[in-house]
Amino acid sequence: SAVISQKPSRDICQRGTSLTIQCQVDSQVTMMFWYRQQPGQSLTLIATANQGSEATYESGFVIDKFPISRPNLTFSTLTVSNMSPEDSSIYLCSVDLRGGELFFGEGSRLTVL
Amino acid sequence: AQSVAQPEDQVNVAEGNPLTVKCTYSVSGNPYLFWYVQYPNRGLQFLLKYITGDNLVKGSYGFEAEFNKSQTSFHLKKPSALVSDSALYFCAVRDGLMRAGGFKTIFGAGTRLFVKA
Repeated sequence: SAVISQKPSRDICQRGTSLTIQCQVDSQVTMMFWYRQQPGQSLTLIATANQGSEATYESGFVIDKFPISRPNLTFSTLTVSNMSPEDSSIYLCSVDLRGGELFFGEGSRLTVL
Repeated sequence: AQSVAQPEDQVNVAEGNPLTVKCTYSVSGNPYLFWYVQYPNRGLQFLLKYITGDNLVKGSYGFEAEFNKSQTSFHLKKPSALVSDSALYFCAVRDGLMRAGGFKTIFGAGTRLFVKA
């Protein structure tokens, strides 16, 4: 398994501002994934972040809105840019340790006013 | 394209009774199938997976799931439910296709399980 730490755990932000979410893993991993989850709803994959390459975004998500960094094998950040109330959600970082299953951080609950 | 369906928004069961949470899937090639559980205000926890081999797989907390290829199903089961099993359960599928961004796992809509004492 893996221990995944996300910061912040929650935040309240103003419309038009940006917030960067950090994800730290206690072991080196190749693939890290960022998901979005409305409370009590399903998860939607935003992008896959591999170290040393540009993130791969899913349909409906673009780099200008959700820039991702992956500077090394244990760390990634997701920025939610120019936020609107529709961006209020829980953002989850996850990793695949090659067994196929994903391990998740506790999530970052974002509220945009 | 891969997809996952969880036809029940909610499942209610009495403590001590068996429980089943349903999942069907669609994927190209051989599927990797997973169940995850989410307790209130927590991240997702991996329960079990099927990749190959025995169709009945056992996982954490006494849960098991049965892979049925002909019905493209992967139902989650437990012989005797506990009140502490009450949570949100997600079925997920990953196909075997390596993309530029790696493997992609998609999740069902989730089924909320209520176990009544």
